[in-house]
Amino acid sequence: QSVLTQPPSVSGAPGQRVTISCTGSTSNIGAGFDVHWYQQLPGTAPKLLVYSNTNRPSGVPDRFSGSKSGTSASLAITGLQTEDEAFYYCQSYDMSLSGSKIFGGGTHLTVL
Amino acid sequence: QVQLQESGPGLVKPSETLSLTCTVSGASMRSQYWSWIRQPPGKGLEWIGYIFYSGSTHYNPSLRSRVTISMDTSTNQFSLTLRSVTAADTAVYYCGRDTSGYVANWGQGTQVTVSS
Repeated sequence: QSVLTQPPSVSGAPGQRVTISCTGSTSNIGAGFDVHWYQQLPGTAPKLLVYSNTNRPSGVPDRFSGSKSGTSASLAITGLQTEDEAFYYCQSYDMSLSGSKIFGGGTHLTVL
Repeated sequence: QVQLQESGPGLVKPSETLSLTCTVSGASMRSQYWSWIRQPPGKGLEWIGYIFYSGSTHYNPSLRSRVTISMDTSTNQFSLTLRSVTAADTAVYYCGRDTSGYVANWGQGTQVTVSS
């Protein structure tokens, strides 16, 4: 059971918009720790997608955007493309775990 | 362009010690954090711990009693040692460059299986 809760799966048709939620608590996201998002394509290592809640590394399309409010964060993907089909993980820190880095359980995005 | 490459045995016997090395290229190890993360088959990501260039470390409380992360800046490498392994330690192990709380760069990962 992950400290950060993500839906196991989401889906959408090409061109549509989907959001992936990441729900935490007052000891992690709600404590003010930043949320970061990673994309893991099949058979590959995770790749940083969004950092510090809303920022995109160079090379990541602006179709991907992050937000944070209260004890939760979200990743939005607009203009879905077939190559977006992957697992997505949120990550933050948790005070109750001695400031350890924590990951959400992951969400599989299916592009229909 | 920062690149990281994990290396080490792919098979470890139960109760023995898992040892992996990560070789860093394209970046100095100074003033940075360096992490190990693992992913059991069919499961999500689990942070193992990190080391700062000064040598200070921080470990996942669930693994702290069995883990040691060390660094050799002269060879641009850092290492993971996990003692008394069981089948539950079977996973793909990733090394990464940690920046401002997130893993900015990842190695390709190395599969480690614990089995007799």
